[in-house]
Amino acid sequence: EAGVTQFPSHSVIEKGQTVTLRCDPISGHDNLYWYRRVMGKEIKFLLHFVKESKQDESGMPNNRFLAERTGGTYSTLKVQPAELEDSGVYFCASSQEDAGWGNTEAFFGQGTRLTVV
Amino acid sequence: GDSVTQMEGPVTLSEEAFLTINCTYTATGYPSLFWYVQYPGEGLQLLLKATKADDKGSNKGFEATYRKETTSFHLEKGSVQVSDSAVYFCALSQGAFTGGGNKLTFGTGTQLKVEL
Repeated sequence: EAGVTQFPSHSVIEKGQTVTLRCDPISGHDNLYWYRRVMGKEIKFLLHFVKESKQDESGMPNNRFLAERTGGTYSTLKVQPAELEDSGVYFCASSQEDAGWGNTEAFFGQGTRLTVV
Repeated sequence: GDSVTQMEGPVTLSEEAFLTINCTYTATGYPSLFWYVQYPGEGLQLLLKATKADDKGSNKGFEATYRKETTSFHLEKGSVQVSDSAVYFCALSQGAFTGGGNKLTFGTGTQLKVEL
């Protein structure tokens, strides 16, 4: 069974440009999460999809970030325009339906390393 | 809000040494606690978890006990190997019943390097 797949693995862009990150979750996983790790700091939650709906986007830093999940399958995270502080590793994770206790395992992709210069 | 604090790295140990990575948390209610590991060039993988007080999670020789009285979830291994070299993340999650959405709150990560 394929795991969570993220594209691209690395991206280097100039300040002001646009970048789109993609995440393909494990088939059948309704929950999809985006996280970000800025250099040396904690991994921070960005947002959570349940199928195609945004369940929680409280971690999105600002309106330069736009996440979509077409048809409840893959997801994209667009940064437009990119700023220097957007550099970091963006992780996607997926999980099965959670019974409500918060103990369902999340499966992570390898991450996309974004560098804004 | 919820938060996780873990010891800073990097930690360098000799093979077969004893490992402890400290983790404490602040959270309302009764979160589930996790240790995730990121090996070089790979994504995060669940190492172990505990879902209620006094539970012990274990996997691959690693152990951690959910201590509500000290709000801690320290990771231990009796004898580390070179292959354990990785970054270890402590995390917690609140389910829908306690206002969360199964999203994870992570610590900063601790890099472990094991040498021969």
